[in-house]
Amino acid sequence: EVQLLESGGGLVQPGGSLRLSCAASGFTITNYPMSWVRQAPGKGLEWVSSLRETDSNTFYIDSVKGRFTISRDTSKNTLYLQMNSLRAEDTAVYYCVKLTNTWFGDFWGQGTLVTVSS
Amino acid sequence: EIVLTQSPATLSLSPGERATLSCRASQTITNYLAWFQQKPGQAPRLLIYDASNRATGIPARFSGSGSGTDFTLTISSLEPEDSAVYYCQQRNSWPRTFGQGTKVEIK
Repeated sequence: EVQLLESGGGLVQPGGSLRLSCAASGFTITNYPMSWVRQAPGKGLEWVSSLRETDSNTFYIDSVKGRFTISRDTSKNTLYLQMNSLRAEDTAVYYCVKLTNTWFGDFWGQGTLVTVSS
Repeated sequence: EIVLTQSPATLSLSPGERATLSCRASQTITNYLAWFQQKPGQAPRLLIYDASNRATGIPARFSGSGSGTDFTLTISSLEPEDSAVYYCQQRNSWPRTFGQGTKVEIK
């Protein structure tokens, strides 16, 4: 059974950093592309970043480029999102998403809440 | 960036009725479109991928159609558990984008 368990969210001051983790089970993350998608309180879904399984190439939405880094630890079967220079507008639930080989999210974690506030 | 515009914003229908949700892309995305269902407090669930393919375990009352710029999600006969927000998403180009969502209410 595929499971994605996010952790690492919390309250952080503007300008601070957090690292989100997504522990995957039931599949191997090196076999599929993976993404982070976020949802601000009461708002819609926003794709944040993806990591391609074949060459570890990474993709980001413009608003997080240079501040966020997606990565993986194959030995731990875990996906990460390092978030630096956090802003109030980064406040959201962050979902870890396993993608199909055609790049659609077929399994989603339950999400971890990041709150950026002083 | 490809903008996806969903309509209507809210759809209020009775059980057994047919729901038709629209998603229009600002430029052609061939058939690279998915539909997701999200219930309050839950993560999204993939319903349809590549415009018309039902994901594993999705009931046959959900169907998708369209290509190019205009897409439709149809729920043929609404069940009470279909009350949710539905999002479309494109994978044609970066950045991946979602529509703003259509809320389906069951009377």
